[in-house]
Amino acid sequence: GDSVTQMEGPVTLSEEAFLTINCTYTATGYPSLFWYVQYPGEGLQLLLKATKADDKGSNKGFEATYRKETTSFHLEKGSVQVSDSAVYFCALSDRSDYKLSFGAGTTVTVRA
Amino acid sequence: DGGITQSPKYLFRKEGQNVTLSCEQNLNHDAMYWYRQDPGQGLRLIYYSQIVNDFQKGDIAEGYSVSREKKESFPLTVTSAQKNPTAFYLCASTKIRQGAGELFFGEGSRLTVL
Repeated sequence: GDSVTQMEGPVTLSEEAFLTINCTYTATGYPSLFWYVQYPGEGLQLLLKATKADDKGSNKGFEATYRKETTSFHLEKGSVQVSDSAVYFCALSDRSDYKLSFGAGTTVTVRA
Repeated sequence: DGGITQSPKYLFRKEGQNVTLSCEQNLNHDAMYWYRQDPGQGLRLIYYSQIVNDFQKGDIAEGYSVSREKKESFPLTVTSAQKNPTAFYLCASTKIRQGAGELFFGEGSRLTVL
């Protein structure tokens, strides 16, 4: 079945550092790919998405490109802030059944 | 504002008791989902429903039950048969056949068994 593997954390960075979180997927069809963010004690919020190969999703300075050849959707941000401290989840949706499969999540802590 | 409302935010239960978590959405979404989140783990699907009066088991349905009598509501009952119910429970919804398939989440309910 469909699955997502993402980089294990925790990741600790200083402010203004470059962040990358690796995500690879296994899917039989042509899934949509997502990054969600979860702040402490809250639900998940959609950060960005991509629906087809070579699409680039971007939001709040974060970017990820849908790479079909490497089955990857790595999340990047050029200069992180303390407010970016959160848990980040990579996910895919097989639109035939509208279920999302999630990675294990990566905890990111940004220090001032 | 449209959104998904989960209640209660925190819930304590004694062993052997059933508890029901509420999930209501006013987004006119067709499908609703319940996920369980444990520390350091991803989200695991408990149950989902794509239409009123119909629902399917997810990956970890044992010890849980749901109903979908109204489009807006998808309550989850954690029964005494659930061996390890302490967790963070997340409800989500989506509009089928529209958009990329992304889910919209509530704020979550944290259940603790004493």
